[in-house]
Amino acid sequence: ETGVTQTPRHLVMGMTNKKSLKCEQHLGHNAMYWYKQSAKKPLELMFVYNFKEQTENNSVPSRFSPECPNSSHLFLHLHTLQPEDSALYLCASSQDSGRQFPQETQYFGPGTRLLVL
Amino acid sequence: QKEVEQNSGPLSVPEGAIASLNCTYSDRGSQSFFWYRQYSGKSPELIMFIYSNGDKEDGRFTAQLNKASQYVSLLIRDSQPSDSATYLCAVKFDTGRRALTFGSGTRLQVQP
Repeated sequence: ETGVTQTPRHLVMGMTNKKSLKCEQHLGHNAMYWYKQSAKKPLELMFVYNFKEQTENNSVPSRFSPECPNSSHLFLHLHTLQPEDSALYLCASSQDSGRQFPQETQYFGPGTRLLVL
Repeated sequence: QKEVEQNSGPLSVPEGAIASLNCTYSDRGSQSFFWYRQYSGKSPELIMFIYSNGDKEDGRFTAQLNKASQYVSLLIRDSQPSDSATYLCAVKFDTGRRALTFGSGTRLQVQP
């Protein structure tokens, strides 16, 4: 266990559904991330939050909507997804000191395996 | 576009051998480098990080960093079948960006 939890672990949804992915970190970190991992592709950064403020949006389609109510929780709201959005969605957290130190290691949750039909 | 390059493999080594995994990166100013291991269907788990030129050892793992050549490697000594996984190289580019940029990973197969 890395101290980062994600729910649900598996999700099947239709293209017209609305669902949300949840991430919670118990590490006292101040930065949280959403990544997408498709088969045979590198991890793709989607969003970065630092102290609850979104600091990066990596040209993600608007059908993905992140929410960070506090430093410990991160959500990814999904609506009208496409089959190509099927992937493993990973949440990560780190302690961002503003400098390049190993403390900025990112720790990943177990991921949500999403299938869009 | 900042990039991290890895050979996708698979890299196949016999049990007990040394596995050598390589990674190159495009940003000369990068300072922090990470190796993650990812088993099939699981999330990445940190093996080790390195930020100074040279070698860093942790058990059977040794990370090697050569900033002049923009090259980082991971050596696994006495490879075990349980080491069979995809190894991801990640770099924190010196752009003020907080997130890591990942390579596509090298799949390692350790043959019993």
